[in-house]
Amino acid sequence: GAGVSQTPSNKVTEKGKYVELRCDPISGHTALYWYRQSLGQGPEFLIYFQGTGAADDSGLPNDRFFAVRPEGSVSTLKIQRTERGDSAVYLCASSVRQGARETQYFGPGTRLLVL
Amino acid sequence: SQKIEQNSEALNIQEGKTATLTCNYTNYSPAYLQWYRQDPGRGPVFLLLIRENEKEKRKERLKVTFDTTLKQSLFHITASQPADSATYLCALVSNTGKLIFGQGTTLQVKP
Repeated sequence: GAGVSQTPSNKVTEKGKYVELRCDPISGHTALYWYRQSLGQGPEFLIYFQGTGAADDSGLPNDRFFAVRPEGSVSTLKIQRTERGDSAVYLCASSVRQGARETQYFGPGTRLLVL
Repeated sequence: SQKIEQNSEALNIQEGKTATLTCNYTNYSPAYLQWYRQDPGRGPVFLLLIRENEKEKRKERLKVTFDTTLKQSLFHITASQPADSATYLCALVSNTGKLIFGQGTTLQVKP
């Protein structure tokens, strides 16, 4: 079956612009997670959804970052007024349900470069 | 704050040997710990989960140990192969499934 997909695979933008990153989780997975990975580092948690609601957004770095999952499936991560420091790989993962014993399946990531 | 550390230096070993990677953590008492493999340009792939009351977990050539007293997990690959070359990430797992990753250790297995 299809895994987690993310679009675009690469995004180059200019400082100050707005970007949207999309995640299509595995069908039927109710939990969806967003992480950010800088070069040479492990992924850093941003936000997770259980169904349509953001259950934990404690990892969002500031109010320029926002994410939605209106129908409990596809999620969009939105970044306003992008800064060079936002450049990273943005990873999405999904699992059947939330919980520590659940396996998270990661997408390939969106590589964001802010010039 | 919670901190999880892996050896940032790359590990180079000869094919057929056992690779051992270390993960240490502080300021946290996780009930679960996971190990992932990440290849360049790809997302992490789940390998193993170990619970706090399990001392050791095995899957084929992989073995993970979890010492909650030392706050340390060890990840072993026996009979290593060049195809095992990748970055390996350990992650503490919260009750909600949120993962707190270490920075990863890159393993290079030479033929």
